[in-house]
Amino acid sequence: DAGVTQSPTHLIKTRGQQVTLRCSPKSGHDTVSWYQQALGQGPQFIFQYYEEEERQRGNFPDRFSGHQFPNYSSELNVNALLLGDSALYLCASSLGRGDNQPQHFGDGTRLSIL
Amino acid sequence: AQKVTQAQTEISVVEKEDVTLDCVYETRDTTYYLFWYKQPPSGELVFLIRRNSFDEQNEISGRYSWNFQKSTSSFNFTITASQVVDSAVYFCALSENSGGGADGLTFGKGTHLIIQP
Repeated sequence: DAGVTQSPTHLIKTRGQQVTLRCSPKSGHDTVSWYQQALGQGPQFIFQYYEEEERQRGNFPDRFSGHQFPNYSSELNVNALLLGDSALYLCASSLGRGDNQPQHFGDGTRLSIL
Repeated sequence: AQKVTQAQTEISVVEKEDVTLDCVYETRDTTYYLFWYKQPPSGELVFLIRRNSFDEQNEISGRYSWNFQKSTSSFNFTITASQVVDSAVYFCALSENSGGGADGLTFGKGTHLIIQP
């Protein structure tokens, strides 16, 4: 039973560039959430996708956008990268229905901005 | 707005000691969910427990136990007879029920637990 998988594992970009991170949910899950975790901090909720639409969003600017595909996998796009975007980006999957099923996390993508 | 506070930034104990990690939360909703996650050095967040706001029963799972008290808005986590493998960062998280399905989690800043041999 494959868990949540994310790619790439590490990524180095420069300011102003754009980046795309990818996530495949755990088998049987239909909802994908993205989080940003700065060093020494707790994860912060970016947004959540369900049925290929953004269902909920945290306090992040429009530079952060996403997409969910029919097979439930998801992408996180960040435009006009800033130094402050350097962080571990975590993807979590869950079941979209029911009483708040626990989210299962991937290993994350570590993004470094130079 | 919802908020989770983990006042203990770092705790260091010697193996076999008991240790309690504190979590205090704030929410305006009457229906909400509380979680604990473990993050080892590898980075992956490992789900430990979920508790909804209507279930105040304490829970025990092996060496782990959780104490949920709505009166003090706390959801504390105790590890009994700690082991070196318990060393990790532990996060408490809160989710409000916006009408169905899993919602975005609000995390605390985490407690770094160090178990010394």
